[in-house]
Amino acid sequence: EVQLVESGGGLVKPGGSLRLSCAASGFTFRTYSMNWVRQAPGKGLEWVSSISVSSYIYYADSVKGRFTISRDNAKNSLYLQMNSLRAEDTAVYYCARDRRGVIGIMDVWGQGTTVTVSS
Amino acid sequence: DIQMTQSPSSLSASVGDRVTITCQASQDISNYLNWYQQKPGKAPKLLIYDASTLETGVPSRFSGSASGTDFTFIISSLQPEDIATYYCQQFDDRFTFGGGTKVEIK
Repeated sequence: EVQLVESGGGLVKPGGSLRLSCAASGFTFRTYSMNWVRQAPGKGLEWVSSISVSSYIYYADSVKGRFTISRDNAKNSLYLQMNSLRAEDTAVYYCARDRRGVIGIMDVWGQGTTVTVSS
Repeated sequence: DIQMTQSPSSLSASVGDRVTITCQASQDISNYLNWYQQKPGKAPKLLIYDASTLETGVPSRFSGSASGTDFTFIISSLQPEDIATYYCQQFDDRFTFGGGTKVEIK
């Protein structure tokens, strides 16, 4: 079964750091581009960051310079290092797989992990 | 940055009704447009990609079309299990989601 499982969310103070993980199973992880998408409480979806098969990386302007996406193909895992966190980063963070060979069609999603930034 | 204007933000319809949601892109995105369904407390689910291609396993009452920078999503006959929020998403230049349309049963 194709599956993505996020972890690492929690409560952190403004200015703090957190590292999210996404464990992939049921497919050949190294051959898929991956994404992080977030959803603030009661709000819509916001794309955060993506990493391609060849590790080409791009970020939303709202997180550029503060967040770092990475992948470990040997561990079938995707990561999001979040630094200098702000209250507006409070959200459910989803990892999502791109359809194979296409960047931007997110065909498999995890269940999400909740990040709360508050003092 | 490409903006996606989705309307309406919410709608109420009866079972069996035809439901129409639109998304307008701020610039040409060709057909690089997807539609997702999100039920409360759940992750989004891909329904339609490339503006009009139905994802495998998605019921045929869902459809999508494009005309220039205007995109339309239709549920031909609303079912109780279709209660959800629907989002469009462009992937021509990075990614942008529309604001969402919450669909309720009247």
